[in-house]
Amino acid sequence: QKEVEQDPGPLSVPEGAIVSLNCTYSNSAFQYFMWYRQYSRKGPELLMYTYSSGNKEDGRFTAQVDKSSKYISLFIRDSQPSDSATYLCAMRRSGAQKLVFGQGTRLTINP
Amino acid sequence: GAVVSQHPSWVICKSGTSVKIECRSLDFQATTMFWYRQFPKQSLMLMATSNEGSKATYEQGVEKDKFLINHASLTLSTLTVTSAHPEDSSFYICILQRRGYNEQFFGPGTRLTVL
Repeated sequence: QKEVEQDPGPLSVPEGAIVSLNCTYSNSAFQYFMWYRQYSRKGPELLMYTYSSGNKEDGRFTAQVDKSSKYISLFIRDSQPSDSATYLCAMRRSGAQKLVFGQGTRLTINP
Repeated sequence: GAVVSQHPSWVICKSGTSVKIECRSLDFQATTMFWYRQFPKQSLMLMATSNEGSKATYEQGVEKDKFLINHASLTLSTLTVTSAHPEDSSFYICILQRRGYNEQFFGPGTRLTVL
């Protein structure tokens, strides 16, 4: 079993829709949770960074962490074609440096 | 701030040759440098970690004699893929840890294609 599971998609939605991206994990020691956006042939860029459980909002993006269920989500409101990319979740334990990544979900927003 | 560069951004080489990839922090000192690789449609996998003043620590299954890592300074790390083969074709990314910060900073990646 992988430590972090993420549906690779692809996921295709119309412009303006609310997008929900999710990851599950098995290691209860994970404390830091990140979401990255990766455009084709580019390196990932950090979107959201959350410590422990709870919600965090930044513009059209909301990250949720439910540690009891070992489940994290990223919501994108009013999705735009420019949001089309692969979204990677990543997490790490407190005191550890190693990031463990999900496989990435390929998202396409159709105009 | 916290800009990371990688060079080259892409490289094509013949099987059996060696390829060196550079990772630089442009405006901060990186106490820890990580090298990851990403095969098509797969997640990023950690290859090795190098901390300031110590040799690189390799993940299980990564050959240290094949993937040579030199943490030359607090602003430069190099990854050399020796005797590259087609199965080494991948996207290689360095990630840098800045002293006193939880956040890690990504390089833009290097796409290696071995013919």
